[in-house]
Amino acid sequence: QIVLTQSPAIMSASLGEEITLTCSASSSVSYMHWYQQKSGTSPKLLIYSTSNLASGVPSRFSGSGSGTFYSLTISSVEAEDAADYYCHQWSSYHTFGGGTKLEIK
Amino acid sequence: DVQLQESGPDLVKPSQSLSLTCTVTGYSITSGYSWHWIRQFPGNKLEWMGYIHYSGSTNYNPSLKSRISITRDTSKNQFFLQLNSVTTEDTATYYCARGNYGNWFAYWGQGTLVTVSA
Repeated sequence: QIVLTQSPAIMSASLGEEITLTCSASSSVSYMHWYQQKSGTSPKLLIYSTSNLASGVPSRFSGSGSGTFYSLTISSVEAEDAADYYCHQWSSYHTFGGGTKLEIK
Repeated sequence: DVQLQESGPDLVKPSQSLSLTCTVTGYSITSGYSWHWIRQFPGNKLEWMGYIHYSGSTNYNPSLKSRISITRDTSKNQFFLQLNSVTTEDTATYYCARGNYGNWFAYWGQGTLVTVSA
């Protein structure tokens, strides 16, 4: 199975700051998906197929990457973005990254 | 809108079987897509467990293949998870989700915490 490694494990950001979360795959994958999970809730799809914004997701979120390296960028962090973020790939089997916790300063 | 809801016991004894139901509303599980079980361990690691395709075929995580079974009741628009010979390491929040054709999960249930303990 393909292992996804997310970094950093914890990120602390100020309001209005631009941040980038990364996801590294142990082998090349075709696409990456990203989810946001707030405390006590189920994961919510943010980005699908590497760079497509899911319905209702604010435009400050964007995704990019290819091969073994993918990233999720928030252009201007807002208080409501405090959450855990997970990357996800499907290549024969689904695997998820270990997550990045975003804290707001 | 598509909605998924997990149900089942919240406590299972070690060595017994864990059985959960996912009830889907707003879309027929025989019309399209794949229907998945995903679990999240304490500490938040997510693990994909397996799915049942709208055609009825199944696919499982190799790490669980000897213990897992996913079935469905099309008359009730439900699909089921059975995990055999559970241990305390199977304690997790269990989610059902719909897998889109591009293999992302746009719809998730709210999750149900299952604790394995004597």
